[in-house]
Amino acid sequence: DVVLTQSPLSLPVTLGQPASISCRSSQSLVHSDGNTYLNWFQQRPGQSPRRLIYKVSNRDSGVPDRFSGSGSGTDFTLKISRVEAEDVGVYYCMQGTQWPPWTFGQGTKVEIK
Amino acid sequence: EVQLVESGGGLVQPGGSLRLSCAASGFTFSPYWMHWVRQAPGKGLVWVAGINSDGSGTRYADSVKGRFTISRDNAKNTLYLQMDSLRAEDTAVYYCARHFFGSSGCPWGQGTLVTVSS
Repeated sequence: DVVLTQSPLSLPVTLGQPASISCRSSQSLVHSDGNTYLNWFQQRPGQSPRRLIYKVSNRDSGVPDRFSGSGSGTDFTLKISRVEAEDVGVYYCMQGTQWPPWTFGQGTKVEIK
Repeated sequence: EVQLVESGGGLVQPGGSLRLSCAASGFTFSPYWMHWVRQAPGKGLVWVAGINSDGSGTRYADSVKGRFTISRDNAKNTLYLQMDSLRAEDTAVYYCARHFFGSSGCPWGQGTLVTVSS
């Protein structure tokens, strides 16, 4: 199975400052079709997960442009350019290149300092 | 409005059974892979099972293989998860989700809580 390792697991951030979350895969996430199936999800307290980014860098509709995804192969990053109060929650990376199973990272908890 | 609404959760004794449902609305249900994902209290997200568009292909996490069955009724726009031989470690909120990698969004339901306890 593909293991996704996120870091840090806890990220205290000052409002208006940038934040960055790393997701490292135990295997390359480049599919034979040329795509890389790596998503980022946000889960606010008490809510269901919400997809922010799909296939590494594509932002979902309605997602603020302060969120961006990048990376390739086994190393991926979610960046928030300026953290706002509504960004508090847990962020998960998730892969769908080698399935089953589809696998998630452990989650990174973003909180305001 | 695209919507997924789960139901069927509750308290069940170890060894018991439950059937979860996920009613889809606001989009054409039949073309999409659908999945169940669970989250134990205070823990992360874990994929449980997936089913292809016409129901002919199913996949399971090793932890539930042989005990859980995913199915769908495209005429009723509904996804199911039959859970048998339930264990305490199956206690979680269960979410249904649409195809994870589509370009037209990846909606999730609000979740339904399953508690396995005597």
